[in-house]
Amino acid sequence: SAVISQKPSRDICQRGTSLTIQCQVDSQVTMMFWYRQQPGQSLTLIATANQGSEATYESGFVIDKFPISRPNLTFSTLTVSNMSPEDSSIYLCSVGFGQGGTGELFFGEGSRLTVL
Amino acid sequence: QKEVEQNSGPLSVPEGAIASLNCTYSDRGSQSFFWYRQYSGKSPELIMFIYSNGDKEDGRFTAQLNKASQYVSLLIRDSQPSDSATYLCAAIGSSNTGKLIFGQGTTLQVKP
Repeated sequence: SAVISQKPSRDICQRGTSLTIQCQVDSQVTMMFWYRQQPGQSLTLIATANQGSEATYESGFVIDKFPISRPNLTFSTLTVSNMSPEDSSIYLCSVGFGQGGTGELFFGEGSRLTVL
Repeated sequence: QKEVEQNSGPLSVPEGAIASLNCTYSDRGSQSFFWYRQYSGKSPELIMFIYSNGDKEDGRFTAQLNKASQYVSLLIRDSQPSDSATYLCAAIGSSNTGKLIFGQGTTLQVKP
């Protein structure tokens, strides 16, 4: 398992601004992912954060809107750029372990963003 | 068609009963399946995973997989009020390079 710390835990943001979410893991991990959970919905994968290279984005998510950094094996950031109310959501950092690799995920506590 | 489908519920069972949570998936090549539990306002936590056809038991929890029917289930025996949560079924597909795809989750209510 791993201890995953996310900051901020919550924030209220103004339309058009950007916010960076930090994810710190207490051990080195290969697989790190960013998910979004919109109100009342399940989890949607935004991207895989790759150490030392550009993140791999899922369909519907683009780097200009959700730039991701992964400078080392314990840390990553997700920026939500030029926010609109539709970006109001919980953003979750997760890491993968075990035989299942990407399936056995541990999640941070999430960052709840409200965009006004 | 969604890749992983669940009935959103809520599923309500009395305390002590067996709760049966069901999930179907569309990608016949999926090999790995996972059940996560999410309490309100909290992050998901892994309960069980299953890779092979049949049953896998862990305490009060049993995961069942039927690849021919593309069906996964989670049974919770002796349900407790503390089991009340949303249960997320997830799968790793054959063509998505190991990414985990979640269903919409089933909300379980265990009534004392």
